Amino acid sequence: AQSVTQPDIHITVSEGASLELRCNYSYGATPYLFWYVQSPGQGLQLLLKYFSGDTLVQGIKGFEAEFKRSQSSFNLRKPSVHWSDAAEYFCAVGVINTNAGKSTFGDGTTLTVKP
Amino acid sequence: DGGITQSPKYLFRKEGQNVTLSCEQNLNHDAMYWYRQDPGQGLRLIYYSQIVNDFQKGDIAEGYSVSREKKESFPLTVTSAQKNPTAFYLCASSIGRTGRKGNEQFFGPGTRLTVL
Repeated sequence: AQSVTQPDIHITVSEGASLELRCNYSYGATPYLFWYVQSPGQGLQLLLKYFSGDTLVQGIKGFEAEFKRSQSSFNLRKPSVHWSDAAEYFCAVGVINTNAGKSTFGDGTTLTVKP
Repeated sequence: DGGITQSPKYLFRKEGQNVTLSCEQNLNHDAMYWYRQDPGQGLRLIYYSQIVNDFQKGDIAEGYSVSREKKESFPLTVTSAQKNPTAFYLCASSIGRTGRKGNEQFFGPGTRLTVL
């Protein structure tokens, strides 16, 4: 079965600083990979996804992520963090078979942005 | 505007009562999902449905039930058998089996259930 690990439970960065959120996955083949963001008391919103092709993926709100097969990683990055980026971030791996659409989520990383 | 709606946003229930959470989507998606979210535990899958009139148990189905009589609707009933039902519940949908290019999930705004 697939699994996702987000090693950092909580990260604090200063506004304007760069950000990297880590995600490691376990899956027997090339996975679908996603990053979602959740504001307090809200649902999740897709930031970006990888399913094939270019391993550097661009998303909304200035985020990007890089798929590294050799490291089983899909880290999320942003060059300059804004106060509005404070939220919880979830990495997810999707299954490529007849259960297409079912995903496994990591436990999330909470991002705090210092002024 | 296409999307997923969940109602109510806040729900209070007395111990021993069943309660039903609503989830509706107008995205024409085949697949729908229910998750439970507790602080520090991420999302845990309760039930999912890939097509009308069919659904499967997720990782924590005990004490919950669902139905999928219509493509756009996937209500979740929290029964009195659920020992610790206070949580944030999220409904999601995806294109499903015919999906291409990642098949991401679209989420509703959630329902916060509190047992008094």
